[in-house]
Amino acid sequence: EIVMTQSPATLSVSLGERATLSCRASQSVSSNLAWYQQKPGQAPRLLIHGASTRATGIPARFSGSGSGTEFTLTISSLQSEDFAVYYCQQYNKWPPLTFGPGTKVDI
Amino acid sequence: QVQLVESGGGVVQPGRSLRLSCVASGFTFGSYAMHWVRQTPGKGLEWVTFISYDGSNKDYGHSMKGRFTISRDNSRNTLYLQMNNLKTGDTAVYYCARGNYYVFDHWGPGTLVTVSS
Repeated sequence: EIVMTQSPATLSVSLGERATLSCRASQSVSSNLAWYQQKPGQAPRLLIHGASTRATGIPARFSGSGSGTEFTLTISSLQSEDFAVYYCQQYNKWPPLTFGPGTKVDI
Repeated sequence: QVQLVESGGGVVQPGRSLRLSCVASGFTFGSYAMHWVRQTPGKGLEWVTFISYDGSNKDYGHSMKGRFTISRDNSRNTLYLQMNNLKTGDTAVYYCARGNYYVFDHWGPGTLVTVSS
């Protein structure tokens, strides 16, 4: 099973600042990595797939990079609606499909 | 627009069974793989099971194998999850999600399953 880890667990940022979230896989997942955003009381929402391709309707301030075992999600200028928990997920080798434990972005 | 709505959650005693449903609309249900994903406060997001667009292929997470069964009825645009021999560790919010190359591109709002005596 591929184990996903994320850092930091919590990221405190201010409106308008840049946020950088990290995700690491226990073995190479190539570019088969997705990012999701989850707000309280809501289901996760797909942000990024293929490590760097934004999903439909996702603003350009969200960008993903990386390949192999190291990945980054960057939010270029934080808006109030971006405060949420962010999860990475690998789909290179499964079953099982696996998620990271999440990074909470707050003020 | 794509909509997924789960139902069937509730409180159930350990060892009992429960069947969840997920009704899909806004897309051609029979053309997409579907998944169940669950979320617990302690373990975060956990993939449960997958079914191919036509129901011919299925896969399960390790702890669900032999207890959970996924199925679908494409004529009713409905996905199911039969959960048997439930354990306290199965307590979670269960989401159905549309699969797109093993990425979950749309999710339902979820249904809460509580396993407790």
